[in-house]
Amino acid sequence: GIQVEQSPPDLILQEGANSTLRCNFSDSVNNLQWFHQNPWGQLINLFYIPSGTKQNGRLSATTVATERYSLLYISSSQTTDSGVYFCAVGGLSGGYNKLIFGAGTRLAVHP
Amino acid sequence: EPEVTQTPSHQVTQMGQEVILRCVPISNHLYFYWYRQILGQKVEFLVSFYNNEISEKSEIFDDQFSVERPDGSNFTLKIRSTKLEDSAMYFCASSVDRNQPQHFGDGTRLSIL
Repeated sequence: GIQVEQSPPDLILQEGANSTLRCNFSDSVNNLQWFHQNPWGQLINLFYIPSGTKQNGRLSATTVATERYSLLYISSSQTTDSGVYFCAVGGLSGGYNKLIFGAGTRLAVHP
Repeated sequence: EPEVTQTPSHQVTQMGQEVILRCVPISNHLYFYWYRQILGQKVEFLVSFYNNEISEKSEIFDDQFSVERPDGSNFTLKIRSTKLEDSAMYFCASSVDRNQPQHFGDGTRLSIL
């Protein structure tokens, strides 16, 4: 099945700093989603981005499907950005029906 | 914006007991999923459901697990005889189409004592 690797595993930032989170995947995908898991355990859907670039406020994401990676950019980070960021993919080899999650990037933003 | 709702938010059960986790997917969605997340670990796929039958399941989804869509709105996950290792957060998700984004509920935290 598809392998999903996220880096870095942990990230500590000062409020106001920018960061880039990376997601590498091992095969072609037809679904890629970025999630933020908040301290209460909720999975917040950030982007559906199997290819291309999208922006939503301080967050943006880019997926280069041909090179099998996606990037999540966080600009001007705030303490409320803290939590775990997951990349999840669905693709041909893994079946259309399921999302395979990476292990996540744990982000801590300090004031 | 429509959302997936899950009940209860937290369930505490004695080992060996049956538990049913409930989900109401978004109303026009046709594909339904269950995932679980053991504390501190990544989210794992359990099962997908379409057209009133299981379309795919993982090796985690053994004979102790079952899913059902008892009516036009609910989607349930049943664990027949719970084990300590079933303690986890269980997420329900739904999508319009299998190639469209999956929308997740807030999860049910299941604690087995």
